[in-house]
Amino acid sequence: EAQVTQNPRYLITVTGKKLTVTCSQNMNHEYMSWYRQDPGLGLRQIYYSMNVEVTDKGDVPEGYKVSRKEKRNFPLILESPSPNQTSLYFCASYSRSYNSPLHFGNGTRLTVT
Amino acid sequence: DAKTTQPPSMDCAEGRAANLPCNHSTISGNEYVYWYRQIHSQGPQYIIHGLKNNETNEMASLIITEDRKSSTLILPHATLRDTAVYYCIVRVASLGSSNTGKLIFGQGTTLQVKP
Repeated sequence: EAQVTQNPRYLITVTGKKLTVTCSQNMNHEYMSWYRQDPGLGLRQIYYSMNVEVTDKGDVPEGYKVSRKEKRNFPLILESPSPNQTSLYFCASYSRSYNSPLHFGNGTRLTVT
Repeated sequence: DAKTTQPPSMDCAEGRAANLPCNHSTISGNEYVYWYRQIHSQGPQYIIHGLKNNETNEMASLIITEDRKSSTLILPHATLRDTAVYYCIVRVASLGSSNTGKLIFGQGTTLQVKP
């Protein structure tokens, strides 16, 4: 079954404590990306990756890092989380072809206190 | 970059067709339009996508205007389970043959299906 798997589903942490949210896909997709969703602001793209070792900033990259060392994985790293990064995060993967669906994970709800 | 605009909310009577509009007036020639929906805080669920021809699948129909500046998602017989936030998404293409991963989300339309 085609899947995008995010972990963890829920995470509560404190300001400044580094964390990583993992994302893995089993469809051999070239593209992966991260979004945050906040009330009234919809989904905003944080970073995206076009292939292994190729990444680019989305609309709200500040405070986040990503890496793409393997095609199937695209972790989101918060080196020093702050309360304004409390949000619902989604990972997505999609193929090079425009004519194919995008696949989203089930989300990670992060709370930074 | 392309920009998508959607009405914030709509109501629809159960059993009737729900027509959800999206404006993407800055869309480029090879940029696809995708529609997804989100129920509560779950991951967005795929509905349909298209380039310039109208599309239909088991869930919905997608009507794209000839100038491609807008599209309408049609749920032909809405049920209470169709109550959700519906997103119109444009996948940005770059000039030339290179591809990009950037997605432009609309703000979403909250569809309330009423009995």
